[in-house]
Amino acid sequence: DAGVTQSPTHLIKTRGQQVTLRCSPKSGHDTVSWYQQALGQGPQFIFQYYEEEERQRGNFPDRFSGHQFPNYSSELNVNALLLGDSALYLCASSPLGTGVETQYFGPGTRLLVL
Amino acid sequence: KQEVTQIPAALSVPEGENLVLNCSFTDSAIYNLQWFRQDPGKGLTSLLLIQSSQREQTSGRLNASLDKSSGRSTLYIAASQPGDSATYLCAVVHGGSQGNLIFGKGTKLSVKP
Repeated sequence: DAGVTQSPTHLIKTRGQQVTLRCSPKSGHDTVSWYQQALGQGPQFIFQYYEEEERQRGNFPDRFSGHQFPNYSSELNVNALLLGDSALYLCASSPLGTGVETQYFGPGTRLLVL
Repeated sequence: KQEVTQIPAALSVPEGENLVLNCSFTDSAIYNLQWFRQDPGKGLTSLLLIQSSQREQTSGRLNASLDKSSGRSTLYIAASQPGDSATYLCAVVHGGSQGNLIFGKGTKLSVKP
């Protein structure tokens, strides 16, 4: 059983560009959450998707948007990149339409904005 | 606003020692609390999940306790090994939420051979 997978593993962009990160949840999981982890900090919640809808959102600007597909995979899009967007982006999945069960994390995508 | 704090920020111990990592949260209305391990540059591995109605959970050499009323959790690691070296993160799910995790900044553990 493949766990949570994310692509790409690393990415380098310049300020003002746009980026798309991808996540495939663990088999049997239907809820996907995205987190941003800056160096030396704990992960910060960006948003959560369930049934192809954004169900919850953290304190992130509208430049951060997402999508969930019918197969439960998800994308995170960031527009007009800033230097401060450099971070490890983590995807987590959970079952049963809720995030209150154990959340399983992917390996992350390391984004560097120059 | 829920805030999670972990003390100490870093800890270095010799191999074989028993150790305790601390986590505190400001709002006791939590649904559950999870402890994670993170190796450098990697994703998070779930170690233990404690539901709000539980007092502790055990897995191998790990034991996590929860005192919801005082807003505290501890992670006890017995007979530490160099392979335990990693950053340990504590996170809570706030009651009434859909499960977004609120994390502390972590404790970086180094176990010396």
